[in-house]
Amino acid sequence: EAQVTQNPRYLITVTGKKLTVTCSQNMNHEYMSWYRQDPGLGLRQIYYSMNVEVTDKGDVPEGYKVSRKEKRNFPLILESPSPNQTSLYFCASSAYRLTGVGLETQYFGPGTRLLVL
Amino acid sequence: AQKITQTQPGMFVQEKEAVTLDCTYDTSDQSYGLFWYKQPSSGEMIFLIYQGSYDEQNATEGRYSLNFQKARKSANLVISASQLGDSAMYFCAMRPQRGSNYKLTFGKGTLLTVNP
Repeated sequence: EAQVTQNPRYLITVTGKKLTVTCSQNMNHEYMSWYRQDPGLGLRQIYYSMNVEVTDKGDVPEGYKVSRKEKRNFPLILESPSPNQTSLYFCASSAYRLTGVGLETQYFGPGTRLLVL
Repeated sequence: AQKITQTQPGMFVQEKEAVTLDCTYDTSDQSYGLFWYKQPSSGEMIFLIYQGSYDEQNATEGRYSLNFQKARKSANLVISASQLGDSAMYFCAMRPQRGSNYKLTFGKGTLLTVNP
């Protein structure tokens, strides 16, 4: 089954304790992205990656890191979480065309609910 | 910059009836894609349907259809024969067709409630 998986699904942590949210897709997609969803602010992009070893900032990258060492995995790292990073996080992936145009659908993972105390 | 506007914070519909969820957009891009996602109370984002800006025919996927009016910059979602399981938040989104970042720009969403 084609899917995007995220772990953990729920996480409660304390300020300053480093954490990693994993994301993995089995569709051989080149493009992957992280979003956060907050009430009143909607979904905002944190980071994205066009392919292995190619990552770039989205709209709200502060306080986050990512890496793309393998095509299927795109972990989100919070080096020193703070309460304002309490949110619902989504990983998404889609195919990416180097030439021409594409409207490949972005498929989302199930989400990770993070609470930082 | 791209912008999505969903003017209906909440909608109610009777089971088995059709409902239209409104979406208008603004972009300076000539080529773009429009998407609808469903988010049930469990939280996941489920892809429903997409429409390309140069597609001449409106997209359909089962009970979902997208009423695309390019001149009016609208991309309304029509759900036919509503079911109780359709109760959820619905998001309209768009992204440029070209470029390196496939970032989706989302609207604020419409909460649909299907009554039995």
